[in-house]
Amino acid sequence: DAGVTQSPTHLIKTRGQQVTLRCSPKSGHDTVSWYQQALGQGPQFIFQYYEEEERQRGNFPDRFSGHQFPNYSSELNVNALLLGDSALYLCASSEAGGLAGFYEQYFGPGTRLTVT
Amino acid sequence: DAKTTQPPSMDCAEGRAANLPCNHSTISGNEYVYWYRQIHSQGPQYIIHGLKNNETNEMASLIITEDRKSSTLILPHATLRDTAVYYCIVRLPTGGGNKLTFGTGTQLKVEL
Repeated sequence: DAGVTQSPTHLIKTRGQQVTLRCSPKSGHDTVSWYQQALGQGPQFIFQYYEEEERQRGNFPDRFSGHQFPNYSSELNVNALLLGDSALYLCASSEAGGLAGFYEQYFGPGTRLTVT
Repeated sequence: DAKTTQPPSMDCAEGRAANLPCNHSTISGNEYVYWYRQIHSQGPQYIIHGLKNNETNEMASLIITEDRKSSTLILPHATLRDTAVYYCIVRLPTGGGNKLTFGTGTQLKVEL
């Protein structure tokens, strides 16, 4: 059983460009969360998707948007890239009904985004 | 979610117990303590969680003080593969989805 997968593994973009990162959740999971991890820092929550809707959002600007598909996979889009967007972007999935109770989150290996 | 304080780094000899402390003096009565770890170049991994009683699983033990203001994660026989950043997180078990608020954690280095 494959765990959480993310693509691409690494990505280099230029300031002002747009980027799309992809995540496939662990089998049986329907809730997907995205985190940004700057170098030397802990992951910071961006937003969470459940039933194809954004259910919760962290303190990130509207340049960060996402989408969840009927098969529960998800995309993270970042527009007008800034140098400060360089980070490891982590996707995490959890079981059905992820809005209540504790459901262990399984993290993917992340996508390393470098903005030059 | 309550704030946590952890030492930035710790060392441990392989085969010895690693005891990682966490201070959460502002924890409320219904908040749980969770521990995750992140091995270099990987995503965080859930370890254990608890409310007030000590908990143990195949990975670690969690000791929570009676006043719940601090806790200790214990890796009973640390190996080189336990070298990682360990995060202590305090949060409610229900509501708010599964948002996790990470601090900077403790970098544990296990050495021969």
